[in-house]
Amino acid sequence: KQEVTQIPAALSVPEGENLVLNCSFTDSAIYNLQWFRQDPGKGLTSLLLIQSSQREQTSGRLNASLDKSSGRSTLYIAASQPGDSATYLCAGSSASKIIFGSGTRLSIRP
Amino acid sequence: NAGVTQTPKFQVLKTGQSMTLQCAQDMNHEYMSWYRQDPGMGLRLIHYSVGAGITDQGEVPNGYNVSRSTTEDFPLRLLSAAPSQTSVYFCASSYTTGTPNEQFFGPGTRLTVL
Repeated sequence: KQEVTQIPAALSVPEGENLVLNCSFTDSAIYNLQWFRQDPGKGLTSLLLIQSSQREQTSGRLNASLDKSSGRSTLYIAASQPGDSATYLCAGSSASKIIFGSGTRLSIRP
Repeated sequence: NAGVTQTPKFQVLKTGQSMTLQCAQDMNHEYMSWYRQDPGMGLRLIHYSVGAGITDQGEVPNGYNVSRSTTEDFPLRLLSAAPSQTSVYFCASSYTTGTPNEQFFGPGTRLTVL
């Protein structure tokens, strides 16, 4: 059974810092891993999708990596801005089920 | 494209009432799913469907029914609402290549059961 864990649950950093969010999963037979952003009271916005055959994906200041052997994915945010403040969730796809982590609540201090 | 739409946005029910949460997508996606989101617990999969006429249970299916008569629509039914079903419900869809790919989410339905 796939389990997805995100640590820490909350993170606060000053503006301009580079930061890494972590996502761990238990089933290495993962088909893909997706990172989402969720603003308070809103739905989920897809940030990056990494297929199992890929090692990383990049979009602007965001870079996500996937290491199936260690059961880990990281989301790297460069030069953080106050507008990056949100909850970030990762979700792993195994067969027909997609399982979410509980998220990391990120706060960027001006 | 409207993407994934959900109705209603807000709903208040009394214990024991029934209702249907609507979800529709116009992207011709085979895969659709329902999640509930509770504080501190992330999103939990309720039911999913890999195509019209095919549904299956997720992590927390008890108290919910689904059907998939068309590719576009995937309604979620609460037959007898309970306070434990107070939550925010999200519908999502994706195309598949044997497994679901990038998921697109609806705006959510905030349900309160008194």
